[in-house]
Amino acid sequence: SQQGEEDPQALSIQEGENATMNCSYKTSINNLQWYRQNSGRGLVHLILIRSNEREKHSGRLRVTLDTSKKSSSLLITASRAADTASYFCASATGGSYIPTFGRGTSLIVHP
Amino acid sequence: DARVTQTPRDKVTEMGQEVTMRCQPILGHNTVFWYRQTMMQGLELLAYFRNRAPLDDSGMPKDRFSAEMPDATLATLKIQPSEPRDSAVYFCASGLAGTGYGYTFGSGTRLTVV
Repeated sequence: SQQGEEDPQALSIQEGENATMNCSYKTSINNLQWYRQNSGRGLVHLILIRSNEREKHSGRLRVTLDTSKKSSSLLITASRAADTASYFCASATGGSYIPTFGRGTSLIVHP
Repeated sequence: DARVTQTPRDKVTEMGQEVTMRCQPILGHNTVFWYRQTMMQGLELLAYFRNRAPLDDSGMPKDRFSAEMPDATLATLKIQPSEPRDSAVYFCASGLAGTGYGYTFGSGTRLTVV
């Protein structure tokens, strides 16, 4: 079963707008990671947030984590057509740090 | 940039044939994963190695799948015999577990079993 689930499943926006994707998970985590996948190939790690962190930034990306609600969000500001991709959250639990992936959000940014 | 290398990139095979997928993790990484991605199931963990020791292969069909790490530079995933339902993209990923860094994925092997 999926540990994390992203919402929405699909998102379509215009270039320059912000894109927000949400992720919910079921059990306590060590960290939560966000990945991007283009065209069904090779996931690329974007950002990792630890369970004791609440917010993290990387360039145009902003990730928040609410452990009380078991949820995280990824915000992409000032989106570009090149941001078109699928975005996955992956929660890591226990001592193994095995990331369990959600189904992803498909983001389309129209130029 | 260091990368995880997977071969072959694409593989078409007939049902019943043996398939071997290879992965070269990034040197120094102590953790290697194999995932399978399909439209129906999403990304499923198949196997997990820490310091070359298999720690979790509960997601892998044991009767036909096997995963090994004969040395630090090579991880293999073997399917014997292959079935059409094994058609998927198989990803290898490596990293340093428990650090503040995520995992690096290879480009995947797209397997089609006909």
